[in-house]
Amino acid sequence: EAGVVQSPRYKIIEKKQPVAFWCNPISGHNTLYWYLQNLGQGPELLIRYENEEAVDDSQLPKDRFSAERLKGVDSTLKIQPAELGDSAVYLCASSWRTGGIPRETQYFGPGTRLLVL
Amino acid sequence: AQSVTQLDSHVSVSEGTPVLLRCNYSSSYSPSLFWYVQHPNKGLQLLLKYTSAATLVKGINGFEAEFKKSETSFHLTKPSAHMSDAAEYFCVVSDWGSGTYKYIFGTGTRLKVLA
Repeated sequence: EAGVVQSPRYKIIEKKQPVAFWCNPISGHNTLYWYLQNLGQGPELLIRYENEEAVDDSQLPKDRFSAERLKGVDSTLKIQPAELGDSAVYLCASSWRTGGIPRETQYFGPGTRLLVL
Repeated sequence: AQSVTQLDSHVSVSEGTPVLLRCNYSSSYSPSLFWYVQHPNKGLQLLLKYTSAATLVKGINGFEAEFKKSETSFHLTKPSAHMSDAAEYFCVVSDWGSGTYKYIFGTGTRLKVLA
């Protein structure tokens, strides 16, 4: 079974340029997560989708970041305009959530490493 | 609020010796706890998880962890380190409240295995 697929794997852009990341979750998973991972830190949640609905976007900087998950499958995370401080790894994960206290395993993609110059 | 503390940012062991990676958590309810491993330029992979069943949890690649509620700990151990164990390890606690949830990641422990 294919895992979580992310593209591109690496991206180098100049500041103020837009950038987009794409994620294809594991087939059948209803929950999709975008995380930001700075160097030497653990992942921090940006946004969580349950099916097509963004149920937690409290940590998403909405002035420059946007995300969508059309048809409840693939998702795109966009930054416009990018800033130097956005250089990080952007991780996508998916899971099958059945409700109640969260116990499900998240499956992570390899991440997109962004460098903003 | 729930939180997780990984007590060591770096751990070095010799190949063939035991591994101990320490994790303490705080939670106001019965949490789920996870250990993930991240090899360079790879995604995070689940090693094991505790979800209120047996307190001693066995995972992949010979790792195990023991949930100790009285000590609020979930330390990761392995009897004998292998060179391939060199990676970053993250302890994760689930945070549940007001009908929603988050997974809270620790800051990570980088394990170095010496030949």
